[in-house]
Amino acid sequence: DARVTQTPRHKVTEMGQEVTMRCQPILGHNTVFWYRQTMMQGLELLAYFRNRAPLDDSGMPKDRFSAEMPDATLATLKIQPSEPRDSAVYFCASGTYYEQYFGPGTRLTVT
Amino acid sequence: AQTVTQSQPEMSVQEAETVTLSCTYDTSESDYYLFWYKQPPSRQMILVIRQEAYKQQNATENRFSVNFQKAAKSFSLKISDSQLGDAAMYFCAYRTNRDDKIIFGKGTRLHILP
Repeated sequence: DARVTQTPRHKVTEMGQEVTMRCQPILGHNTVFWYRQTMMQGLELLAYFRNRAPLDDSGMPKDRFSAEMPDATLATLKIQPSEPRDSAVYFCASGTYYEQYFGPGTRLTVT
Repeated sequence: AQTVTQSQPEMSVQEAETVTLSCTYDTSESDYYLFWYKQPPSRQMILVIRQEAYKQQNATENRFSVNFQKAAKSFSLKISDSQLGDAAMYFCAYRTNRDDKIIFGKGTRLHILP
């Protein structure tokens, strides 16, 4: 049963620290998405890739967030420096033409 | 710009009863996809059902079915024989044929009453 995996599942860090979240998409999926979910804003698209190329990162604060796909089996989302307002659940999803499948999420708490 | 609206922030239904969750969307496209995702307390986002706009027949997956009204831009989800495990946040979502991005509604929290 193929699924998207994300690490870590939980992360607590202090303001100013660097945070790196990792995602392993489903083998064969050519699109990868990063979302952020908060109570106030709901589900927001931060960035997405097709065939490892970044297509849209307009939802991402450029000064502190970066997203990369160093290879087809790994996508990363990095926050440097982290701030309390970054506290949220971060989801990775991978997809085919028809559907997206979500990972379990990383719950980030920045104190 | 495309938007997805779920007008019911919360709903409750008695176990074994039927419930319908509403969703409307706004688009000028003619070819697109619509989805319902379920997010239980575990936070995992689970695809429940998908509808292609070019198909007139409503999609069905076991106890889950949709009522797709293209002219009205309405896409409701019906859950029959509700079970305790159906308690979750349900998100309606839209995607055009020209783009990979999915636009999500704000969600409807569904409570199942035993």
